[in-house]
Amino acid sequence: EVHLVESGGVVVQPGGSLRLSCAASGFTFDDYAMHWVRQVPGKGLEWVSLIAWDGGRTYYADSVKGRFTVSRDNNKNTLYLQMNSLRDDDTALYYCVKDKNAGNYYFDYWGQGTLVTVSS
Amino acid sequence: DIQMTQSPSSVSASVGDRVTITCRASQDISRWLAWYQQKPGKAPQLLIYAASSLQSGVPSRFSGSGSGTEFTLTITSLQPEDFATYYCQQANNFPPFAFGGGTKVEIK
Repeated sequence: EVHLVESGGVVVQPGGSLRLSCAASGFTFDDYAMHWVRQVPGKGLEWVSLIAWDGGRTYYADSVKGRFTVSRDNNKNTLYLQMNSLRDDDTALYYCVKDKNAGNYYFDYWGQGTLVTVSS
Repeated sequence: DIQMTQSPSSVSASVGDRVTITCRASQDISRWLAWYQQKPGKAPQLLIYAASSLQSGVPSRFSGSGSGTEFTLTITSLQPEDFATYYCQQANNFPPFAFGGGTKVEIK
């Protein structure tokens, strides 16, 4: 059974940094691209970032480009999101999401999310 | 960037009703579209991918159709567990992978 468990969400001041982690199990981690998707409580979904199976390609939403960095350690079956220069509007629940199949970018498994609150 | 527009933003329906939700893309995305269901306090779940393919384990009362710029999600015979918020997502042209704004299906 696929499990994705996010961690690292805390309250951080504007301008601060944070690293989120996602521990994956129940599937061959290095066979799949992975994503981060966020959701402001009570609002809609926003895709944040994609990383290819081998970490060789990464993509970002314009809202986080230049501030966030996605990475993965396939030996540890773990996905990361380094978040720098955090702003109030980065406050959200951050989901770790697995790609359904190579190259089609549908999101078939989601973690339960980790809450990031940016506030002074 | 491709924008996804869902309608209606909310719908009130009764158990047993047929519900249809529409998603429009700002440009042709062929059949690169998915639908998700999200219940309060839970992560979204994939229902439909490639516009009309049912994800494993999803009840057959859910169906998807469409191509190009207009898509629909239909729930035939709405069940109590189907009251939730539904999102569409385009997977054709990225970044970004845009989601629609969501449609909340409420109990009438």
